[in-house]
Amino acid sequence: EMQMVESGGGAARPGGSLRLSCAASGFKFDDYGMIWVRQVPGKGLEWVSGINWSGVSIAYADSVKGRFTIYRDNAKNSLYLQMNSLRAEDTALYHCARSRYSSSWYAFDSWGQGTLVTVSS
Amino acid sequence: QSVLTQPPSVSAAPGQKVTISCSGSSSNIGNNYVSWYQQLPGTAPKLLIYETSKRLSGIPDRFSGSKSGTSATLGITGLQTGDEADYYCGAWDSSLSAYVFGTGTKVTVL
Repeated sequence: EMQMVESGGGAARPGGSLRLSCAASGFKFDDYGMIWVRQVPGKGLEWVSGINWSGVSIAYADSVKGRFTIYRDNAKNSLYLQMNSLRAEDTALYHCARSRYSSSWYAFDSWGQGTLVTVSS
Repeated sequence: QSVLTQPPSVSAAPGQKVTISCSGSSSNIGNNYVSWYQQLPGTAPKLLIYETSKRLSGIPDRFSGSKSGTSATLGITGLQTGDEADYYCGAWDSSLSAYVFGTGTKVTVL
């Protein structure tokens, strides 16, 4: 059974940093692209970043470009999101999800339950 | 704010049909695949439709997807109480070089 489990969320100060992790299991991790999506409780979905199977192709939403870095370790079946220069508006539940494709981000067929990030002074 | 616009809510009685629209532009829906997600209360989103009209394995044929120009539509027939959820469209935006989700639609079964 496919599973993604996120961790690393918590409280941070504005300007601070956090690193989110996503442990994947139940599928061949290095065959698939991966993404991060966030959702403010009670609000809609916002795509944050995507990475292809090899880690060579990466994309970011404008709202996080230059502050967040996505990367993966295929040997550990893990996806990461390094979040720097955090802002209050980054407060959200962060989900990792699997793309149906190795190098494109058209649809996401398996999602983790998310890890909550709260940025506040 | 999202570049894909959905109605905030739709509703119908059990057994009836609802359609959810998703309006975009040539940089997203007009030239890229559309996907649809269902988010039940308190749970992670779940993929229903990919590549505009293909149902993910295990998704009942009561759910269907289509596209015309820069708008896409999700149809749900034979509405059930278990279909009460938020529904989101999504597509790659070639101008933004980013994936975009719709604003979301809450489906209520009367």
